Amino acid sequence: AQTVTQSQPEMSVQEAETVTLSCTYDTSENNYYLFWYKQPPSRQMILVIRQEAYKQQNATENRFSVNFQKAAKSFSLKISDSQLGDTAMYFCALINFGNEKLTFGTGTRLTIIP
Amino acid sequence: DARVTQTPRDKVTEMGQEVTMRCQPILGHNTVFWYRQTMMQGLELLAYFRNRAPLDDSGMPKDRFSAEMPDATLATLKIQPSEPRDSAVYFCASGLGAGATGELFFGEGSRLTVL
Repeated sequence: AQTVTQSQPEMSVQEAETVTLSCTYDTSENNYYLFWYKQPPSRQMILVIRQEAYKQQNATENRFSVNFQKAAKSFSLKISDSQLGDTAMYFCALINFGNEKLTFGTGTRLTIIP
Repeated sequence: DARVTQTPRDKVTEMGQEVTMRCQPILGHNTVFWYRQTMMQGLELLAYFRNRAPLDDSGMPKDRFSAEMPDATLATLKIQPSEPRDSAVYFCASGLGAGATGELFFGEGSRLTVL
């Protein structure tokens, strides 16, 4: 079985600041993908960033980057220069290569304060 | 711009009524998933299909829920009879499988309220 844990139910940060969202996971597989999805009030689930477990280099997408620590099974998301449009629920998720089931964490509600 | 389309966006119904939610996956995607989102349980996987064949519906209450893919362009989730505890947002998602990018593309969800 695979599990994803997000220990921060809510976070808030001033606009333009940097914020880091935490995620830990557990899986018995060696090959998997990790994701961060964003869910704004419109409720659409939007992919923010993806990390392949076999890649040591941390993924980056513009202001979004991850800190992937495979041995520690940790996958945190850093948002730099935060913007009001970043206000949303953020979900960490895991999928094993041979399984295809995407397992989500419980989410972190992020509020960007003007 | 390819996207997953779900209908209805919002549905209010009375307990005991049948509810059918529909999903059009992205053309070419071979996996389709149904998720349910509630405040208490978060995102739960209900069922998923690969190449239209049901692979896993262990997350679905079998007595009242059913999921089908009549063809490659349509997935349905049916609840009969509906109960207040079924109130949730139901998401459909499609993808190319974990052997590709693993990424799932989500629809906008169907918010169901059962009175």
